[in-house]
Amino acid sequence: SQKIEQNSEALNIQEGKTATLTCNYTNYSPAYLQWYRQDPGRGPVFLLLIRENEKEKRKERLKVTFDTTLKQSLFHITASQPADSATYLCALLTSNDYKLSFGAGTTVTVRA
Amino acid sequence: KAGVTQTPRYLIKTRGQQVTLSCSPISGHRSVSWYQQTPGQGLQFLFEYFSETQRNKGNFPGRFSGRQFSNSRSEMNVSTLELGDSALYLCASSLAGTSGETQYFGPGTRLLVL
Repeated sequence: SQKIEQNSEALNIQEGKTATLTCNYTNYSPAYLQWYRQDPGRGPVFLLLIRENEKEKRKERLKVTFDTTLKQSLFHITASQPADSATYLCALLTSNDYKLSFGAGTTVTVRA
Repeated sequence: KAGVTQTPRYLIKTRGQQVTLSCSPISGHRSVSWYQQTPGQGLQFLFEYFSETQRNKGNFPGRFSGRQFSNSRSEMNVSTLELGDSALYLCASSLAGTSGETQYFGPGTRLLVL
């Protein structure tokens, strides 16, 4: 069966450190992988998209890698700040439909 | 440009009742998708509408239905509510809903079924 797993439910890190989140998938052939941020009581906000033929994408302090051989994406937040505290969701999109399949999310807490 | 709006934001219903939720997409966006979010199952895709037609659907029972109007606004309906339907219902809009396009989510409607 298809499955998307994010490495842990919660991640606590010290301000200034790098947070690394993992998204593993099975029985998918994603054309795209996206990362979203969700704050309590709010809808997800799109952060980054990476295509199957791309290895790495960056946006400011965020970096995403995509390894279709390992069926894994890594999401890095460098120089983390307390304002980065949120739940981060990975989502897969296959090329033949328009629905996103989401992982359960990892809640990141950055301590000052 | 205004974001995606959803009404109502909160709703309390009892088992057996039905409910209608509304979503207004970003101006110019023609694709609207609906998702259910629960602590146990996470975010799950319900259906997607484009140009008033349901283009894709997830694995939910027929009690969950939706429609889209000519102005791209969308509604979803849940009939014969069950306790397990308590969830945050999110809609997301995009220009054409094509693969790789960014989806913009609304704040959600939190439904509690008693």
